[in-house]
Amino acid sequence: GAVVSQHPSWVICKSGTSVKIECRSLDFQATTMFWYRQFPKQSLMLMATSNEGSKATYEQGVEKDKFLINHASLTLSTLTVTSAHPEDSSFYICSARPLRDNTGELFFGEGSRLTVL
Amino acid sequence: DAKTTQPTSMDCAEGRAANLPCNHSTISGNEYVYWYRQIHSQGPQYIIHGLKNNETNEMASLIITEDRKSSTLILPHATLRDTAVYYCIVREGDDKIIFGKGTRLHILP
Repeated sequence: GAVVSQHPSWVICKSGTSVKIECRSLDFQATTMFWYRQFPKQSLMLMATSNEGSKATYEQGVEKDKFLINHASLTLSTLTVTSAHPEDSSFYICSARPLRDNTGELFFGEGSRLTVL
Repeated sequence: DAKTTQPTSMDCAEGRAANLPCNHSTISGNEYVYWYRQIHSQGPQYIIHGLKNNETNEMASLIITEDRKSSTLILPHATLRDTAVYYCIVREGDDKIIFGKGTRLHILP
């Protein structure tokens, strides 16, 4: 099946720093990628929809200036957590929808665990 | 908001069939039923999806009731590696996926 890779898989940073997480579709092109956040023992919460070449669409309650999303190519979307604080510690997961696919299937990355000290 | 209702948790003995129910009484005609699962600390994994007819693949079977208001995911011979949270999702075409709370399935040795 199609592969979506995230990097880094885990990161620890100091409060106030910014962290960038990459999401790559390795063997397919994706015009649309989605970013989720998951706190311990909770479900995945959709943060935003990332569209190649245009601005991301954020879900209600998600701060666009806090979570910067860039989707500069058909295989790469990045999520930057700016001025991270301990409450931003979470598991961040991306998913990608293949460009030429009418099954509606989305492929998920393995997740990136962020710990802010 | 998620459009589905699932039991919070279920147990199943290893080697037996695991039957996971899902209610989606407000499903519309164009919406598919998708199942994903998430093993601890990993990204979700696609299992199966269907519209009206029952579906089967190498992982599972999906049984959708005639009125489409509920469905059951069947793992025919559960193994310990099937321990995960299983999400039943209703979505139209290539809509974004909104996850509910899912069912935490424990496979017992």
